[in-house]
Amino acid sequence: NAGVTQTPKFQVLKTGQSMTLQCAQDMNHEYMSWYRQDPGMGLRLIHYSVGAGITDQGEVPNGYNVSRSTTEDFPLRLLSAAPSQTSVYFCASSSGIWEKLFFGSGTQLSVL
Amino acid sequence: QKEVEQDPGPLSVPEGAIVSLNCTYSNSAFQYFMWYRQYSRKGPELLMYTYSSGNKEDGRFTAQVDKSSKYISLFIRDSQPSDSATYLCAMSEYNTGRRALTFGSGTRLQVQP
Repeated sequence: NAGVTQTPKFQVLKTGQSMTLQCAQDMNHEYMSWYRQDPGMGLRLIHYSVGAGITDQGEVPNGYNVSRSTTEDFPLRLLSAAPSQTSVYFCASSSGIWEKLFFGSGTQLSVL
Repeated sequence: QKEVEQDPGPLSVPEGAIVSLNCTYSNSAFQYFMWYRQYSRKGPELLMYTYSSGNKEDGRFTAQVDKSSKYISLFIRDSQPSDSATYLCAMSEYNTGRRALTFGSGTRLQVQP
């Protein structure tokens, strides 16, 4: 059972480039979310989804887009990368909003 | 002011010590309280999950919630080098429009053999 799979593990971008962080889960979870983790700031919610076709903004959504076309996948798109988006990104899923969150292993992103 | 405050550490203890990790919070609507453990370069994993006030024990770990003081704690008995990690507290409201966890910034724990 793979759980939550994130790709890539590491990425370096130049300012202005776009890219998509991939997230897939095989637990048939309805709830999926994206967090970023910065030193001293903890985990902050970017976007979340309560099911296929339904997404909503979290605490820090600016500069990011998401879509949820299937239960399994929840990609995060950076539209025009900025140095302030240098961070570690985690995807998480759960069977419900207030249930146990399962995290992926993270993507370390550097924007130069 | 952050909604959830957590001392970043690092906290260094000898093997076998009792460890106390703490968080304070300001939002009285928080009902669920969790502790996640995060090893270096890994995603967080849920360690303890409690609802409202009181204590919950699971092996060497005890989670304590004091809603009147807006204070939660995680105690680790007989600490082991394998407990060395960052511990994140997390909290959520329940049945409100706010559908997310609020995390503390994490306390780094080092257990010395």
